[in-house]
Amino acid sequence: DIQMTQSPSSLSASVGDRVTITCRTSRGIANFLAWFQQIPGKVPKLLISAASTLQSGVPSRFSGSGSGTDFTLTISSLQPEDAATYYCQKYNSAPHTFGQGTKVEIK
Amino acid sequence: EVQLVESGGAVVQPGGSLRLSCVASGFTFEDYTMHWVRQAPGKGLQWVSLINWNGRTTYYADSVKGRFTISRDDSKNSLYLQMSSLRTEDTALYYCARETAHLVLEDWGQGTLVTVSS
Repeated sequence: DIQMTQSPSSLSASVGDRVTITCRTSRGIANFLAWFQQIPGKVPKLLISAASTLQSGVPSRFSGSGSGTDFTLTISSLQPEDAATYYCQKYNSAPHTFGQGTKVEIK
Repeated sequence: EVQLVESGGAVVQPGGSLRLSCVASGFTFEDYTMHWVRQAPGKGLQWVSLINWNGRTTYYADSVKGRFTISRDDSKNSLYLQMSSLRTEDTALYYCARETAHLVLEDWGQGTLVTVSS
């Protein structure tokens, strides 16, 4: 099975900072990668599909990039409501593995 | 509005069995591939299983293969997860989720809690 490596596992940043989270797969998955946001106590929310397609209603400060084995989620200007854990997920084929998660805290 | 409502979670002893259900509404259930995803307390998301739209194709995470069975009843707009030989490490909140035409999990239920403990 393809292994997912998401980093960092946690980060702390200030409001307005640019934040970058990376997800690496052990084999290429083209662009079959999604990013989810999970606010504590809430259901995961899909932010980005196909590595870079922003879901409707998601603020434009979120963006995704990458293809093959290396992917990035960027928050261009961190806001207080972005405090959450972020997960990548591959979906090119089963198993649809999630990354380990990145907890984003606001300083 | 898409709604997914899970039920069936309970406290069960190790080695026991449990069946989870997920009732769907707001879309044509029979057209969609459905998934189960779980989250142990304080831990990350773990993909568990999927069943395709016609029920003929299923996949499982290695950690549950041979112990869990996913199924669906389109006449009842329902998804199921039959869980057997339960282990303490199966303790988690179990979500059902809908895979849309874009192949991603756009819609999730609120989850049902399974606790495996003696």
